[in-house]
Amino acid sequence: QQQVKQSPQSLIVQKGGISIINCAYENTAFDYFPWYQQFPGKGPALLIAIRPDVSEKKEGRFTISFNKSAKQFSLHIMDSQPGDSATYFCAAPRDDKIIFGKGTRLHILP
Amino acid sequence: DTGVSQNPRHKITKRGQNVTFRCDPISEHNRLYWYRQTLGQGPEFLTYFQNEAQLEKSRLLSDRFSAERPKGSFSTLEIQRTEQGDSAMYLCASSSSGREDTQYFGPGTRLTVL
Repeated sequence: QQQVKQSPQSLIVQKGGISIINCAYENTAFDYFPWYQQFPGKGPALLIAIRPDVSEKKEGRFTISFNKSAKQFSLHIMDSQPGDSATYFCAAPRDDKIIFGKGTRLHILP
Repeated sequence: DTGVSQNPRHKITKRGQNVTFRCDPISEHNRLYWYRQTLGQGPEFLTYFQNEAQLEKSRLLSDRFSAERPKGSFSTLEIQRTEQGDSAMYLCASSSSGREDTQYFGPGTRLTVL
């Protein structure tokens, strides 16, 4: 049973555009929502995370928006750059482990 | 600190052979995790250690899989009698104690079973 559903599977955005990746969760016990970024040949790395007591968190060009009532959260990448091309995973901790979404492969056109 | 390291980075083996992977976590981290990632999927939890104690194992971890962390530092993951379905990237991560402490991932070991 997939506990964290992520969309789209792949995304192509022009340089300078806004990349938006969405995630929905089912378990209301989740209380911390990280996003991970993974480049080819590398392990995932924490990009940004949010707690559900805030609706938005911004770090540089990366913003998480959180909608607790809809059980959804999204990642926005402003002014997308070719170096942002990677796979992005939404995730949620359950007990002491991380449950990952299936990932979104993002490609930024130069 | 050089981060989490994993060896080997790539392993090709024949079906039925045994393989062992090693993970060296960030030195001050007492939690160590193993995940498996297949193509087009997110990492899936396999097991984790708090110091040398193995605290949880996923149902994905069949009897052919065994993990150890004998001195609470590095860890090994062994797969016996490998099957083609074991082909995947095996990721190791470490963190300090704490549910929301960041897990730092290594580069992974890519296993191909022929």
